[in-house]
Amino acid sequence: QKEVEQDPGPLSVPEGAIVSLNCTYSNSAFQYFMWYRQYSRKGPELLMYTYSSGNKEDGRFTAQVDKSSKYISLFIRDSQPSDSATYLCAMITSSGSARQLTFGSGTQLTVLP
Amino acid sequence: NAGVTQTPKFQVLKTGQSMTLQCAQDMNHEYMSWYRQDPGMGLRLIHYSVGAGITDQGEVPNGYNVSRSTTEDFPLRLLSAAPSQTSVYFCASSNSAVSANYGYTFGSGTRLTVV
Repeated sequence: QKEVEQDPGPLSVPEGAIVSLNCTYSNSAFQYFMWYRQYSRKGPELLMYTYSSGNKEDGRFTAQVDKSSKYISLFIRDSQPSDSATYLCAMITSSGSARQLTFGSGTQLTVLP
Repeated sequence: NAGVTQTPKFQVLKTGQSMTLQCAQDMNHEYMSWYRQDPGMGLRLIHYSVGAGITDQGEVPNGYNVSRSTTEDFPLRLLSAAPSQTSVYFCASSNSAVSANYGYTFGSGTRLTVV
């Protein structure tokens, strides 16, 4: 079983929809949680990061962490065609070395105009 | 523009050939790393470096070598290419190995095919 599980999709939604992207994890030592966005044929770029449980909002994006359930989510409100990309979750322990930064396999999202 | 520069963008190799993937960053980041990305596997760490002269293995180091003689450069060497090394390779850098506060800056990738 992978330490981080992410539904690969593909996920297709109409413009303006609310999108929910999710990851589950098994390592209870993970403390920092990140979401990366990767456009086709580009490198990933950091979208949001959170520490500990709770919500963090940045414009149309909300990152949510539920440590008790080992579950993280990224919500996109009023989705736009420009949001079409692969979204990767990533997580690391508080004292982790680079080896312990673990990525999900990514969810491919398409927002249809 | 500041960032991480990878060359080449595309490469086709024959089995057994060797080559070096180049990575350079101009942000004075201490931490640099190499990942490979395969369908359904996500990003897997090959090697990383926490500073000039210091390197260490990641999750999938076999068949690859690295060195870090300067802060800016972190080349990845394929010693004897195999079809299993067909992948997209990303170099990343950060102010900190624990990247939560800073995030990793990724290059645009090298698409490698080994035939």
